[in-house]
Amino acid sequence: GNSVTQMEGPVTLSEEAFLTINCTYTATGYPSLFWYVQYPGEGLQLLLKATKADDKGSNKGFEATYRKETTSFHLEKGSVQVSDSAVYFCALFTAGGTSYGKLTFGQGTILTVHP
Amino acid sequence: DSGVTQTPKHLITATGQRVTLRCSPRSGDLSVYWYQQSLDQGLQFLIQYYNGEERAKGNILERFSAQQFPDLHSELNLSSLELGDSALYFCASSVGAGSSYEQYFGPGTRLTVT
Repeated sequence: GNSVTQMEGPVTLSEEAFLTINCTYTATGYPSLFWYVQYPGEGLQLLLKATKADDKGSNKGFEATYRKETTSFHLEKGSVQVSDSAVYFCALFTAGGTSYGKLTFGQGTILTVHP
Repeated sequence: DSGVTQTPKHLITATGQRVTLRCSPRSGDLSVYWYQQSLDQGLQFLIQYYNGEERAKGNILERFSAQQFPDLHSELNLSSLELGDSALYFCASSVGAGSSYEQYFGPGTRLTVT
């Protein structure tokens, strides 16, 4: 079945530091890949997505590139801010078969950014 | 604000009881998804409805059921509740039912079973 593995957290950084959160996946077919962010007390928000190999998703300074050869979709940001403190989820979506309509999530990575 | 509303925000109930969680999708969205977020299982897909019909099923227990009504709102019914059912339950909606349609998540209902 499909699965997503994220790097163990929590991750603690100082403001303006470089961020990488690793994400690798196992899937049949050609999944679409997503990063979602969950701020304290809120629901998930889509941060960025990529639908095919070598696509780069980007939003709010965050980037992730769909690497089919390494089955990875690592999240990066060049300079984090305190306001980026949240839980980040990597997810994949495959349409068709038993995975129709289903998002499969990683376990989430807690990011804390200190001033 | 995603436009997806969920009620109630918090729910505390006892083991063996039955509860109903309600979700109103964004205006114009036909697809509704239910997810469960717990500390031990993480975030798991439960079930999807599209325009009133069940379209996909995940790790949903037999004690749980859902439906989508003609006005497109959805309800998740949880019965014979156990302590392990304590979790945050999210509803999400999208215009369509495939991967190209972004899912918008509601704020969740926190269920505590005592």
